Amino acid sequence: DIVMTQTPLSLSVTPGQPASISCKSSQSLLHSDGKTYLYWYLQKPGQSPQLLIYEVSSRFSGVPDRFSGSGSGTDFTLKISRVEAEDVGVYYCMQGIHLRTFGQGTKVEIK
Amino acid sequence: EVQLVESGGGLVQPGGSLRLSCAASGFTFSNYWMSWVRQAPGKGLECVAGINQDGSQKYYVDPVKGRFTISRDNAKNSLYLQMNSLSAEDTAVYYCARDPTFGRFDFWGQGTLVSVSS
Repeated sequence: DIVMTQTPLSLSVTPGQPASISCKSSQSLLHSDGKTYLYWYLQKPGQSPQLLIYEVSSRFSGVPDRFSGSGSGTDFTLKISRVEAEDVGVYYCMQGIHLRTFGQGTKVEIK
Repeated sequence: EVQLVESGGGLVQPGGSLRLSCAASGFTFSNYWMSWVRQAPGKGLECVAGINQDGSQKYYVDPVKGRFTISRDNAKNSLYLQMNSLSAEDTAVYYCARDPTFGRFDFWGQGTLVSVSS
């Protein structure tokens, strides 16, 4: 099974400052079709999870451009260029190349 | 507007069974993989099962294999999760999610709570 490891597990950020979350997979997420099936989800307090980033770096519809994803193979990063109050919640990376596995989650709060 | 509405959760005794449903609307249900994702209280997300468009392919996470069965009725635009031999470890909010490609869960339901306790 593919294991997804996120760091850090929690993050306290001053509004307007950047934030970064790392996600490492135990196996390459590069599929034979040339795509890399790594996703980022945000679960805001009391809500269902929502898709932010798909296939490493593509923003889902309606996602602000302050969110960006990067990486390849087994190492991936989610960056928020300027954190806003509405960005609080738990961020999860997830792989979709073999079954579906989430990382442990990174809780982001505002200082 | 895409909508996914789960139902069927509740309190069940250990060893009992429960059947969850997810009613889909606003899209052509039969064109999409669908999945069930759960979240135990205060814990992270776990994708427990998925099913392809016509129900011919299914996957399960190890902890639920042999106990849970995912199915769908495309004529009724509905997804199901039959859960047997439930234990306290199955206590969670269960979400259904649309899966266009390889885990791209682009729409989620609001979830239904399953509590397993005596």
